[in-house]
Amino acid sequence: ETGVTQTPRHLVMGMTNKKSLKCEQHLGHNAMYWYKQSAKKPLELMFVYSLEERVENNSVPSRFSPECPNSSHLFLHLHTLQPEDSALYLCASSQARGAGGTDTQYFGPGTRLTVL
Amino acid sequence: GDSVTQMEGPVTLSEEAFLTINCTYTATGYPSLFWYVQYPGEGLQLLLKATKADDKGSNKGFEATYRKETTSFHLEKGSVQVSDSAVYFCALRRNFGNEKLTFGTGTRLTIIP
Repeated sequence: ETGVTQTPRHLVMGMTNKKSLKCEQHLGHNAMYWYKQSAKKPLELMFVYSLEERVENNSVPSRFSPECPNSSHLFLHLHTLQPEDSALYLCASSQARGAGGTDTQYFGPGTRLTVL
Repeated sequence: GDSVTQMEGPVTLSEEAFLTINCTYTATGYPSLFWYVQYPGEGLQLLLKATKADDKGSNKGFEATYRKETTSFHLEKGSVQVSDSAVYFCALRRNFGNEKLTFGTGTRLTIIP
């Protein structure tokens, strides 16, 4: 148990559906991240929120829409996805160094997404 | 840009064998280096880290030394167990700028009894 939870753990959706992934951290961190893990590829950083502001968006398609309502919660809203978006989506949190914290990221267990 | 190169897997070893998983990196300046482990069905867990040259990170019998001259951070363990079966990721993080981690592709390790 790392203090970062993700729901749901598994999700199957059609290309026309709208769904959301949820991440919650109980570590008092102020930075949160979404990563995509596909088979045989390095982890891809999608979004970074630091102090609830989006500080990085790695050219992610607009069918992925993040939301960070507070420092403990992070969402990834999904709509009109493609089959190639099937992957494990990992959330992580850390204490941003600007606040004097460490640089270690703690990961949740991930949501296994399948797009039909 | 920054990059991390890991030895390709899968790696299969017998219990109590010696393990080495190679990792080299390319980065500007002197990054922090990490090894993460992912057990089946779980997210990534930090295994060990080193923040400057010649530092040695260690945890659960695993070790890795930050070698600036060879830009390497190889993971080693003297005697592996079946419970060490997992995917291992090498990663770097710059010590300036944003909080971005750059990961290698991962190495799947299977230990057979």
